[in-house]
Amino acid sequence: GQNIDQPTEMTATEGAIVQINCTYQTSGFNGLFWYQQHAGEAPTFLSYNVLDGLEEKGRFSSFLSRSKGYSYLLLKELQMKDSASYLCAAQDSNYQLIWGAGTKLIIKP
Amino acid sequence: GAVVSQHPSWVICKSGTSVKIECRSLDFQATTMFWYRQFPKQSLMLMATSNEGSKATYEQGVEKDKFLINHASLTLSTLTVTSAHPEDSSFYICSAPGGGLADFYEQYFGPGTRLTVT
Repeated sequence: GQNIDQPTEMTATEGAIVQINCTYQTSGFNGLFWYQQHAGEAPTFLSYNVLDGLEEKGRFSSFLSRSKGYSYLLLKELQMKDSASYLCAAQDSNYQLIWGAGTKLIIKP
Repeated sequence: GAVVSQHPSWVICKSGTSVKIECRSLDFQATTMFWYRQFPKQSLMLMATSNEGSKATYEQGVEKDKFLINHASLTLSTLTVTSAHPEDSSFYICSAPGGGLADFYEQYFGPGTRLTVT
């Protein structure tokens, strides 16, 4: 079956770095997405990886290892506004998104 | 980037009534749109894939006679929740894949519609 696993909740300190891991199993693979979702709002796109390696975009970076079925989202210089849920989603061979349950990130001062 | 709108942003209705939610792609055409439902503290659950000019494809467990989907044009898909019940109260979100080849892999989400059935 198809499955996405990510931690339910993480806590980090303002100004620090946090890594949110995601493992996936899908029927075929056409890329891995990370989305940010604030409470009561729709998800917003953060990153897309389809090749192995690290993609850096400002304070956020995303890594993919296709052979391991593994990705992580790295957030640097954490700000209070980064408190949100972070959704990992893998795109299968039919280009459908398989969603993880999301990781709630709590930032403390 | 591409913009998707939803209307209404929130709605309260009485049990047994029907509610229509609109999803529009504002600056691009979408032959396919996706409808999701999200319960509190849970991830997005794909309900159905809306296809312009043809019948929607529903996910297993989603009642097609209860959740009517109409993709009338290349910029508009509607979801009608018929005979709504309190358990249908949820956050409904639509999305559309980007229009260009480079955008194909990205989904553009509408802002969501909060439905409360009393």
